[in-house]
Amino acid sequence: GAGVSQSPSNKVTEKGKDVELRCDPISGHTALYWYRQSLGQGLEFLIYFQGNSAPDKSGLPSDRFSAERTGGSVSTLTIQRTQQEDSAVYLCASSLVVRVGEQFFGPGTRLTVL
Amino acid sequence: GDSVTQMEGPVTLSEEAFLTINCTYTATGYPSLFWYVQYPGEGLQLLLKATKADDKGSNKGFEATYRKETTSFHLEKGSVQVSDSAVYFCALVPPSNFGNEKLTFGTGTRLTIIP
Repeated sequence: GAGVSQSPSNKVTEKGKDVELRCDPISGHTALYWYRQSLGQGLEFLIYFQGNSAPDKSGLPSDRFSAERTGGSVSTLTIQRTQQEDSAVYLCASSLVVRVGEQFFGPGTRLTVL
Repeated sequence: GDSVTQMEGPVTLSEEAFLTINCTYTATGYPSLFWYVQYPGEGLQLLLKATKADDKGSNKGFEATYRKETTSFHLEKGSVQVSDSAVYFCALVPPSNFGNEKLTFGTGTRLTIIP
């Protein structure tokens, strides 16, 4: 079956611009996570969704970062006024809550801020 | 807070060599432990897991045993192949997190196998 998909696969933007990153989870997966993978910080948790609500936003690095999920499915991560330190690979994962820790990851969006 | 410490890489081995990648953790209670792998050009995928002390996770010839006395979850394989070349991440999920199973990852270990 279809896995987790993310778009775009690559995004190059100028400092100060806003970007939107999209994640399509596996159908039926109620839990959705965003992570960031960067050279300096490794793999970091950003935000967790259960259905359309986000009970854990503790990993969002600043108020320039926000995310939403609609219909219990697609999620969008928005970064406003991008900075060079936002350059990273943004990963989305989804899971069935009953399978502890077994998350299915998308291929990621590589964001480069010039 | 919770954390995972992994042996630093990169690690380079010859084919058929024995592999150990060390992983230790700090967490309250007994977390669930995981090894994820990222093959070149591919997304992260679960390799194996263990959810309680003394459990052994295994997959594709890899094994790891949950040792609560040493808070460790070392990854081992008896005979590595070129196709095992990848980046390996140790990770944990805290216990009783009320459905929130966010993973805390180690820094990753890049493994290269030479024919």
